[in-house]
Amino acid sequence: DQQVKQNSPSLSVQEGRISILNCDYTNSMFDYFLWYKKYPAEGPTFLISISSIKDKNEDGRFTVFLNKSAKHLSLHIVPSQPGDSAVYFCAARGWGTYKYIFGTGTRLKVLA
Amino acid sequence: EAGVTQFPSHSVIEKGQTVTLRCDPISGHDNLYWYRRVMGKEIKFLLHFVKESKQDESGMPNNRFLAERTGGTYSTLKVQPAELEDSGVYFCASSQVKGGAGNTIYFGEGSWLTVV
Repeated sequence: DQQVKQNSPSLSVQEGRISILNCDYTNSMFDYFLWYKKYPAEGPTFLISISSIKDKNEDGRFTVFLNKSAKHLSLHIVPSQPGDSAVYFCAARGWGTYKYIFGTGTRLKVLA
Repeated sequence: EAGVTQFPSHSVIEKGQTVTLRCDPISGHDNLYWYRRVMGKEIKFLLHFVKESKQDESGMPNNRFLAERTGGTYSTLKVQPAELEDSGVYFCASSQVKGGAGNTIYFGEGSWLTVV
């Protein structure tokens, strides 16, 4: 049973526009969420995180929103750049654990 | 500061052979994780060490997989004997502390395993 779901396998966005990547989770005990970016043949790179006590965290062009009641988080990239083209994974961790559960990833393509 | 390093980066072995993957975490990181990604699927948790102790090995597929972290520094993941379904990318990750900023885990580049 997939506890962290990224239902969109791919997304294409025009350069300069907003990219919105979505992630849903089923476990209400998750208390910490992260987004990673992965280029081909490389390991995932940490992008941004959010604690369950917050509903928004911003870092430059990247903003993560958390809606606990809907068990949904999203990553906004504004403005999108061609270098943002990669696979994005969301991950969640249960309170009191160190086990990070990852989604299947969304491939973002930013068109120049 | 060096990141998480993994060796080998690529390995092609025949079914039934043995492969040992090595991970060197970021210096000072007590938490070490092994994950695996099979083509197009999620990055799946295998196990977690705190120093030399296995804290959670609930993701290990079966007893053909053996992970060790002697001395609480580097870790090895041995697959013996390897099967075709073991093919994938094996990622190692590490993190520093329990709370706050230490919640972030940092990944290595991965070890690509192909079993033929």
